[in-house]
Amino acid sequence: RKEVEQDPGPFNVPEGATVAFNCTYSNSASQSFFWYRQDCRKEPKLLMSVYSSGNEDGRFTAQLNRASQYISLLIRDSKLSDSATYLCVVFSGGYNKLIFGAGTRLAVHP
Amino acid sequence: EPEVTQTPSHQVTQMGQEVILRCVPISNHLYFYWYRQILGQKVEFLVSFYNNEISEKSEIFDDQFSVERPDGSNFTLKIRSTKLEDSAMYFCASSFSTDGYTFGSGTRLTVV
Repeated sequence: RKEVEQDPGPFNVPEGATVAFNCTYSNSASQSFFWYRQDCRKEPKLLMSVYSSGNEDGRFTAQLNRASQYISLLIRDSKLSDSATYLCVVFSGGYNKLIFGAGTRLAVHP
Repeated sequence: EPEVTQTPSHQVTQMGQEVILRCVPISNHLYFYWYRQILGQKVEFLVSFYNNEISEKSEIFDDQFSVERPDGSNFTLKIRSTKLEDSAMYFCASSFSTDGYTFGSGTRLTVV
């Protein structure tokens, strides 16, 4: 089983749509979880951390279910500028190593 | 906002040549990393560096790879004898603690 697994997409949605991405991870001892955004041929950039209680940042909501080892990201009212690849990332402990999923590609069209 | 700087942005090298990729991490950060991303694939951990030594490395990071922090500000990745399959984006990152990872903009390495 892959350490971090995501649906690769692409998700093609119109502006204003709500879209949800899911991710599962295999290591139950994982401690911290993140969503990163990556634009084409650019570096990953932190979008938000994910907490068990769920957290929201504007149009973005992240949820963590430790029992199911499942992480989600919800984007409301999609904008053209949201078009990117969204990376589910798990912190593996030890010396702060991040484990990346392969990413889910989102394309928002007018 | 402080940033991680990587040079060069693009490097083309012949197979079998040595390359050195350079990074200047954020000045008060304590942990330094190299990741790579082969085109169309996921970002993969290569190595982490703390307190002037390697703290963890992946199975990708074989004897052909080495890292160094020669002068307290630069952090370098050396590939001794490049192979075609080393072609990738190489990202340097630094962090102060478990949160707050910052990635550099990457060096695209093309081995021909």
